[in-house]
Amino acid sequence: AQRVTQPEKLLSVFKGAPVELKCNYSYSGSPELFWYVQYSRQRLQLLLRHISRESIKGFTADLNKGETSFHLKKPFAQEEDSAMYYCALSEGGFNKFYFGSGTKLNVKP
Amino acid sequence: EAGVTQSPTHLIKTRGQQATLRCSPISGHTSVYWYQQALGLGLQFLLWYDEGEERNRGNFPPRFSGRQFPNYSSELNVNALELEDSALYLCASSLKVAASGNTIYFGEGSWLTVV
Repeated sequence: AQRVTQPEKLLSVFKGAPVELKCNYSYSGSPELFWYVQYSRQRLQLLLRHISRESIKGFTADLNKGETSFHLKKPFAQEEDSAMYYCALSEGGFNKFYFGSGTKLNVKP
Repeated sequence: EAGVTQSPTHLIKTRGQQATLRCSPISGHTSVYWYQQALGLGLQFLLWYDEGEERNRGNFPPRFSGRQFPNYSSELNVNALELEDSALYLCASSLKVAASGNTIYFGEGSWLTVV
């Protein structure tokens, strides 16, 4: 069963515009959600995790259990934000990770 | 602290051959994961090893196999290579103890090209 869904394969925005990358999940327990980012020619790296409730590089993501969503948001996109973004779910308490299919963010000048 | 390291960086094989990819996890990590990242397809889960045992397997044919050694490093073997096996193969590692906040850390990947 598809646990993590990222409905957009490609998202293009202009510099300075707000951006929201969507992530929906299906899991009945207590999931832990993450966002990973892969910049051009770099390794896939953790951007943020929901339990930390942190803002990294201006990005935030709130876990909405009612809507089973974990959308990634940034109020003002920068060109250097252009990258591939993956949403991931971990079954709380277990080392199983599920990744979405990824969204390519293209920030245009 | 060294991150997840993978070798080789690039590998070119012909159809029908076998490929072996290697991964060393972050020190202290006992879980190793393998993912395939083919162009336009995102991350596809291949295998998960922990403490030397295969714990989970993705939807790939049996010619994709691997193992984990006592030092927690891992090998991914792909037999009878097909053209569509051409992809970036990512290894990741995590702590064994499944604690809240555990996440996985990725290597830079091994590019496999099948010609």
